[in-house]
Amino acid sequence: QVQLRESGPGLVKPSETLSLSCSVSGDFVDTYSWTWIRQPAGKGLEWIGYSYINGDTKYNPSLRGRVAMSVDTSQNQLSLKVTSVTAADTAIYYCAKVLSTGWTRWAAFDVWGQGTMVTVSS
Amino acid sequence: QSALTQPASVSGSLGQSITISCSGTDSDVGANDYLSWYQHHPGKAPKLIIYDVRNRPSGISNRFSGSKSGNTASLTISGLQAEDEADYYCTSYTTYSTVLFGGGTKLTVL
Repeated sequence: QVQLRESGPGLVKPSETLSLSCSVSGDFVDTYSWTWIRQPAGKGLEWIGYSYINGDTKYNPSLRGRVAMSVDTSQNQLSLKVTSVTAADTAIYYCAKVLSTGWTRWAAFDVWGQGTMVTVSS
Repeated sequence: QSALTQPASVSGSLGQSITISCSGTDSDVGANDYLSWYQHHPGKAPKLIIYDVRNRPSGISNRFSGSKSGNTASLTISGLQAEDEADYYCTSYTTYSTVLFGGGTKLTVL
């Protein structure tokens, strides 16, 4: 059974880069497509992007090119970078696995990490 | 791309049924059947309860059911239980290969 665990600095200064990792256990990271999602305090869930099984990526256009996702097969983990952060990037960040049963179910995220809180503040 | 539209809150009594709607457009909810629902208890990770409009993952109670008509999807929870009190989010894959979440619905079990 796949398990995910996010990690990273809990505090990032404005204008700097937020960097998070998501450790994958129970299977190989290059077996599935993955996604990152965040939730600002008191608000709803926001999709950040996909990291596809073929290595390509797709991002939420609202993040205006500030996002980069990647996969490290040697470490069996995912990574997320958000550049030029502001207070609006303060949120709980989740990594999740995209469900694949026969074919990929693009809106179905069946395994989630526990989430990691990131605060943007000087 | 705007978030999908959900009611901010719904409530129901123990044992009753409730339905949560999720409205979108021809570019998302109406474009395909990649429509999911998540249950989110504060402080925990969201849980997938419905995918592809009406399919339940293994281990999810059959009290949860989903449907879709045109640009509106619905989640019905029957036989409400105290543990169903949570936030519920719909999610849709769009024609732009992106994902939209609904704004979330807070379910209160009376």
